[in-house]
Amino acid sequence: DTGVSQNPRHKITKRGQNVTFRCDPISEHNRLYWYRQTLGQGPEFLTYFQNEAQLEKSRLLSDRFSAERPKGSFSTLEIQRTEQGDSAMYLCASSLSGDRNIQYFGAGTRLSVL
Amino acid sequence: QKEVEQDPGPLSVPEGAIVSLNCTYSNSAFQYFMWYRQYSRKGPELLMYTYSSGNKEDGRFTAQVDKSSKYISLFIRDSQPSDSATYLCAMSGNTGGFKTIFGAGTRLFVKA
Repeated sequence: DTGVSQNPRHKITKRGQNVTFRCDPISEHNRLYWYRQTLGQGPEFLTYFQNEAQLEKSRLLSDRFSAERPKGSFSTLEIQRTEQGDSAMYLCASSLSGDRNIQYFGAGTRLSVL
Repeated sequence: QKEVEQDPGPLSVPEGAIVSLNCTYSNSAFQYFMWYRQYSRKGPELLMYTYSSGNKEDGRFTAQVDKSSKYISLFIRDSQPSDSATYLCAMSGNTGGFKTIFGAGTRLFVKA
């Protein structure tokens, strides 16, 4: 499978716990994006990487959120001290610079904070 | 005011109907316009991609962009029950890593 892969697909956690999600982009793609999507809304941009460099972060990304892409391949998104308002679908997308930035999405990780 | 406005619907049509989905936007810097389809509990799937103004056709789907009016459309001909999904418009400029801004999505139901 050469698509964008996200794990886990669903995470249930208690308020205050830390969670980490993983995204494996399409192998030759150098750009990687994280989005958050709540019910009835479109995806909202959180952050993006070009190779291993995190180049932009949304103001939606509070200091409880951190993302890494250590070797320019897979990426992780960690949420510390989760709150009920963090419950959402977290989507990862990847693209190839110079290819009109067509972004391909993974199936997402659905987070439920109890 | 949101940068991208999209009527959330729901929109219900009979099988075989022509469907028209629309978005308006406010940022004149947007140059790339996309339509994604999203089934329930799945990630968005790219349907159509258009650069700048004009029309693009792919099978039963036609995308139109009118930059002067800041208005984009997606037409679906001969709609099928399998087209039932949420349709997201999306757009980006050519700076800032092509950060993409999405509409809220329109839920479409095609009745057999």
